[in-house]
Amino acid sequence: KAGVTQTPRYLIKTRGQQVTLSCSPISGHRSVSWYQQTPGQGLQFLFEYFSETQRNKGNFPGRFSGRQFSNSRSEMNVSTLELGDSALYLCASSLDGSTAFYGYTFGSGTRLTVV
Amino acid sequence: GNSVTQMEGPVTLSEEAFLTINCTYTATGYPSLFWYVQYPGEGLQLLLKATKADDKGSNKGFEATYRKETTSFHLEKGSVQVSDSAVYFCALIGSGNTPLVFGKGTRLSVIA
Repeated sequence: KAGVTQTPRYLIKTRGQQVTLSCSPISGHRSVSWYQQTPGQGLQFLFEYFSETQRNKGNFPGRFSGRQFSNSRSEMNVSTLELGDSALYLCASSLDGSTAFYGYTFGSGTRLTVV
Repeated sequence: GNSVTQMEGPVTLSEEAFLTINCTYTATGYPSLFWYVQYPGEGLQLLLKATKADDKGSNKGFEATYRKETTSFHLEKGSVQVSDSAVYFCALIGSGNTPLVFGKGTRLSVIA
């Protein structure tokens, strides 16, 4: 079966612009989480959506937002981009609310570069 | 809050050497524990998991045992290969659908 699909794979944006990243989870998975990966901070949790509702939120500024659609696809948006937003953004999906048992399946990520 | 501490890298080993990557955690209740691996240019892949104390997760020759008394989940492999070169992340999910929390990652390089 298809894995977690993230688009685009690479993105270059200018400081001050906004960007939208997309994630299609594994078919049947209802939980989608987003992580930011940087060399300095490692993997940091952004937010999780379950059945179109935000269930958990990490410690990121309000410029970072997300949503989930009825087909479980998710988007995250970053407004007013800063140089420090350059990172690999990873999406992960899980079967349902039992994430502790099933764990997460990750996509290949979107590499965002802000110049 | 929940947290994971894993040994700093990088770790460089010769092919067929024994591998241990230490991981300890802090969490309330009974977390589930995971090891993920990230190959260059890719996302994270689940390597193994354990959901309760004394469980042993295993996959592709890698093993880790959930030790509640020492709050540890060390990753081991008896004989590493060049293809095992990657970054390894220890992670946990706490009670009640809390987010997956990662350690900083340990880069492993295996030389022939």
